[in-house]
Amino acid sequence: GAGVSQSPSNKVTEKGKDVELRCDPISGHTALYWYRQSLGQGLEFLIYFQGNSAPDKSGLPSDRFSAERTGGSVSTLTIQRTQQEDSAVYLCASSPSRQANEQFFGPGTRLTVL
Amino acid sequence: SQKIEQNSEALNIQEGKTATLTCNYTNYSPAYLQWYRQDPGRGPVFLLLIRENEKEKRKERLKVTFDTTLKQSLFHITASQPADSATYLCALVTASYDKVIFGPGTSLSVIP
Repeated sequence: GAGVSQSPSNKVTEKGKDVELRCDPISGHTALYWYRQSLGQGLEFLIYFQGNSAPDKSGLPSDRFSAERTGGSVSTLTIQRTQQEDSAVYLCASSPSRQANEQFFGPGTRLTVL
Repeated sequence: SQKIEQNSEALNIQEGKTATLTCNYTNYSPAYLQWYRQDPGRGPVFLLLIRENEKEKRKERLKVTFDTTLKQSLFHITASQPADSATYLCALVTASYDKVIFGPGTSLSVIP
C-alpha cells in the first residue's frame, strides 16, 4: 500500500517568505509527527498530532511555525517569514496510534532559505 | 538537563564482525526505546523496539538490550555486511507517549 508522502520534495525560498509543507500519512493512522533534521544532525521533534489535536506544541522552534491537521489525515506545517536557519529537511511520520510500535516516515521536504 | 547521546564517532568495522552501537539517556522516563536506520536522503526506517521492562530483543542479525539502571540501550548487528552501512538512530518515547526524542545518530561503515 501507499506509504507516507510529503510535498514538495524540495523547496527553495527567499528569506522572509512563507512556506507550507504537506504530509499525507498512511490511511487509518491516527498519530502524525513532524520532525526537522539539519545537515548531519539528528531529528528534532516539532509536534505530534493524535487525530486532529496537538496536545503539546512546545517543540515548535518559534511562533513563526504552526501546524494543523484536518479530517484526521493530511497535515500542513507552515513556516512564516522564513529565516536561513530554517533550512533543513522536514520529515513527517505516522503510526496507527500513539502507543504503536513504530513510526513510518515519509521521504522528507528539503527546505532551503536563501 | 534531558539528553540522548549515541556513539560520538563514526564506527568503522570489518565485514563479518559484530557492530555495537550505544544509546545513553539522562533525565527521561521512557516507555520504550526504538532503533531506526537512515540512509542518505531517505527517512528513517524502523528496526526494533524494546520496552522498559524488557532486557533484550532480537530480530534476525539484530539484538537490542535495555538497561534502565544504566539508562542505556545497546544495538548489535552480528555478521555485519557492507549493506548494513548507514546511520542508526535511537529514539526514546516518553512514558506519556506524547514525545519522541531522537538521538543524534551513529554512522556505521562496514568495510568489505
